[in-house]
Amino acid sequence: DAGVIQSPRHEVTEMGQEVTLRCKPISGHDYLFWYRQTMMRGLELLIYFNNNVPIDDSGMPEDRFSAKMPNASFSTLKIQPSEPRDSAVYFCASSEKTSGRGEQFFGPGTRLTVL
Amino acid sequence: GQQVMQIPQYQHVQEGEDFTTYCNSSTTLSNIQWYKQRPGGHPVFLIQLVKSGEVKKQKRLTFQFGEAKKNSSLHITATQTTDVGTYFCAGDNYQLIWGAGTKLIIKP
Repeated sequence: DAGVIQSPRHEVTEMGQEVTLRCKPISGHDYLFWYRQTMMRGLELLIYFNNNVPIDDSGMPEDRFSAKMPNASFSTLKIQPSEPRDSAVYFCASSEKTSGRGEQFFGPGTRLTVL
Repeated sequence: GQQVMQIPQYQHVQEGEDFTTYCNSSTTLSNIQWYKQRPGGHPVFLIQLVKSGEVKKQKRLTFQFGEAKKNSSLHITATQTTDVGTYFCAGDNYQLIWGAGTKLIIKP
C-alpha cells in the first residue's frame, strides 16, 4: 500500500483565497483524522471521521474551516477565506480502529503558507 | 478538560548520552501511544502500552506505563544522530490526547 496520500505537498496562497487540501487514506481504514501543526500550538486534532461520517469537529478553529469525506477513499479540508494565521502543516492520518485502539498512519503533510 | 503534559520541551544531549521524556495525564488512560517525528517529516507510530506498569523495549528505547496508568516515559540509551526528532506521547481516554512533544537535539 502507498500509505496515506496528501496533496498538494506545498501550497502558497494569498490572504482571502480559498484553499483545498486533499487526502486519500489507507484502503480499509475506517477512521480519518485531520491535524494542524504549528510551532506555537503543536499538533492539534481538527476533525475526525468514522466510516465517512464526521464524529468530532470540536477542534475546527472557526467557520472558515470545513471538511468533507464523500467516500471511503477521499477527504478534503477547505479553508475559505484563508488568513495568514492559517499557515501551518496540515496532516491527514488514518487508522483501522478508533484513536488509541489502533495506531494512526500519517500522510506526509501539506505545508500551507498564506501571505 | 483532559490534558497530557509532556516534559521537557527540548533536550540537548551529546551523542552517546541518554535521553528521557515524560508524559503525565490528568485522567486515567486506557492506553498510551508514542510517536516519533523526524525534522521535516510526519509522526510515525513507535509503540502502544496498555497494561498498568508495562515496560517495553525496542533496541535502545525503553517505554514505561505507570502503575496508575496516568504517566509514561520514553528513555533512549546512548543516543545516536538517527534519534534526532520530536517524540510525542498520545494518551487514549475515549479519544487521543496528544502531548506537546519533546525535541531531541544532539549537540555538535
